[in-house]
Amino acid sequence: GAVVSQHPSRVICKSGTSVKIECRSLDFQATTMFWYRQFPKQSLMLMATSNEGSKATYEQGVEKDKFLINHASLTLSTLTVTSAHPEDSSFYICSASVRQGGYGYTFGSGTRLTVV
Amino acid sequence: RKEVEQDPGPFNVPEGATVAFNCTYSNSASQSFFWYRQDCRKEPKLLMSVYSSGNEDGRFTAQLNRASQYISLLIRDSKLSDSATYLCVVNGRETSYDKVIFGPGTSLSVIP
Repeated sequence: GAVVSQHPSRVICKSGTSVKIECRSLDFQATTMFWYRQFPKQSLMLMATSNEGSKATYEQGVEKDKFLINHASLTLSTLTVTSAHPEDSSFYICSASVRQGGYGYTFGSGTRLTVV
Repeated sequence: RKEVEQDPGPFNVPEGATVAFNCTYSNSASQSFFWYRQDCRKEPKLLMSVYSSGNEDGRFTAQLNRASQYISLLIRDSKLSDSATYLCVVNGRETSYDKVIFGPGTSLSVIP
């Protein structure tokens, strides 16, 4: 089945530094990648939608200069959290739309970011 | 109004019970609907797609009512392993791109 590989799975960084999260589609082409954030005991909140070769579309309230999304190829999308602060500590997860043998979405395994 | 709303739960049910979850969505142009389950600190996994005619997969039955913008999930003969958070997922098309929205989830605990 369609697999999305997300790295790193866990990262601890100092306040003010930047962190890059990668999502790779391993056996299919991900024309659309969704990026979500999930705080403890809360739902997944859509941050942005990225389409290969074009600028990402950000949800209201999500700072595009802080959360940089790059989707330069059909198999790789990245989210960079710039100048991270403790309030950015969260579970970040990507999801790609899959149109093989049906229609649905496959998820990366998530990245738990802790900013200290 | 939130784009996707679900019963807040939590639902605590004994093994063998039947439990139903409800979900409503606000965008009448939404095209695709899914139920996902998420275990604690893990990524969501697709449970089943929801078709207009309703569909069943073993102990799980999903229903869609487009007129009422309502989706349901029925779990029969609950097992301990069904304990998880169940997420209603709605895909709507915004101009030229897909937009996938998750409901807040309903927590289920199946008790021995």
